Formats: sequence, C-alpha cells, structure tokens
Amino acid sequence: DAMVIQNPRYQVTQFGKPVTLSCSQTLNHNVMYWYQQKSSQAPKLLFHYYDKDFNNEADTPDNFQSRRPNTSFCFLDIRSPGLGDAAMYLCATSFGGGSTDTQYFGPGTRLTVL
Amino acid sequence: GQNIDQPTEMTATEGAIVQINCTYQTSGFNGLFWYQQHAGEAPTFLSYNVLDGLEEKGRFSSFLSRSKGYSYLLLKELQMKDSASYLCAALDSNYQLIWGAGTKLIIKP
Repeated sequence: DAMVIQNPRYQVTQFGKPVTLSCSQTLNHNVMYWYQQKSSQAPKLLFHYYDKDFNNEADTPDNFQSRRPNTSFCFLDIRSPGLGDAAMYLCATSFGGGSTDTQYFGPGTRLTVL
Repeated sequence: GQNIDQPTEMTATEGAIVQINCTYQTSGFNGLFWYQQHAGEAPTFLSYNVLDGLEEKGRFSSFLSRSKGYSYLLLKELQMKDSASYLCAALDSNYQLIWGAGTKLIIKP
C-alpha cells in the first residue's frame, strides 16, 4: 500500500542532544511537509519542499533544519532540543496540484526531551 | 491575519447526530478540509469542499458557504470510535493550509 512512513514512532532525547527524525513516502508525491503539533493545538508548519525547492516558514526557529535528499525521503534535524520542543512531529505529503491538494500524514514521531 | 475558529470541545450521545462548526478568515481561499485525529495519532483526511453546498460521504457530511466563511462537519449515527478531535483547515491563496486547533468530540453511551 502507498503510504507515508515515519521513524521512529517515539524518540527520547536529552536536553541539547541533536536528534534526527525521518520520513519516507511511496505515494510519489512532489510536496513534503514537516509539522510540529503540541497537545490540543493546531499543527504548526515548520518546512515544506516542492520537489527539491525548500520553503522555510518565517517563524521556524533556527534550531530546526530539514533535508530532502531525494523524492522519497525527508529528514528533520533538531540541533539542540529544548524542553519546549517536546511535541508530536508530523510528516505529510501532497501531490502539489494546487487547489485540490490533499495532504496525507504519516503516523507521527512523539519526541520527549529529558 | 488568517484565522480558523472552531469549538474546543463538544459532547454527544452514541447514535445521535452532531454538527461541528468552523469559521475561517484567510487571504484568498482554495478550499476547506476536515481531518479526524484520534489521540496520539496523525490526522486522517475526511473531506474537501471548494464549492458551496453539502458533500455527503457515508455517515459524514461537510458543508461550505464561501460568502459566510463558514463550514460544518455533520456526523450521523455516532459511534464510540468517532470520539476524536476534528480539525478544520482552509487552503489560502498561496495553497498553504491554515489549521484550526481542533474540536474534541466526546461520545457518551
């Protein structure tokens, strides 16, 4: 089945220790997104890629970086996680066709910062 | 600014009908999405409206009024598994999704 896969599902890291979250997709979609979602809040867009064109949201902290080495994979790097970065990180993909562009989500990675 | 408003929490009874409202203000508009999100899980796509009117999909229906900046999600014959958060999201003129914080729906037997 075509899908969006995130690894790991649960990640525990120490304050200040870099962590990388991964996402892969078999949908052959052009666009990939990284969201941060805290409890009872709306998902917050961090980055998105249209193919290899990188788009950084204006209020995404410098502590967060992303890489998309090829169409199928995308990574989220958190250089120095703080307690406030504990959240669910959601990867999503879409075809990129504009007005009917439904986003499909992976299962998410829940990050705990100790 | 861009804004999505939806109630924080609603309670309904198993077997009943519930309507979750959403109002939006965006820079341009390219459609309105509803997603379902169970606790600790990722959002799953429910519906998309871009034209005025009602779209029915089984027990779930979604309505849009572009002139009023208003949508609702109607859930019929509620089941316990429908207990979840329901997120409204509008696609703006740059095809960016503007998300609401979600409505937590509690179903009681």
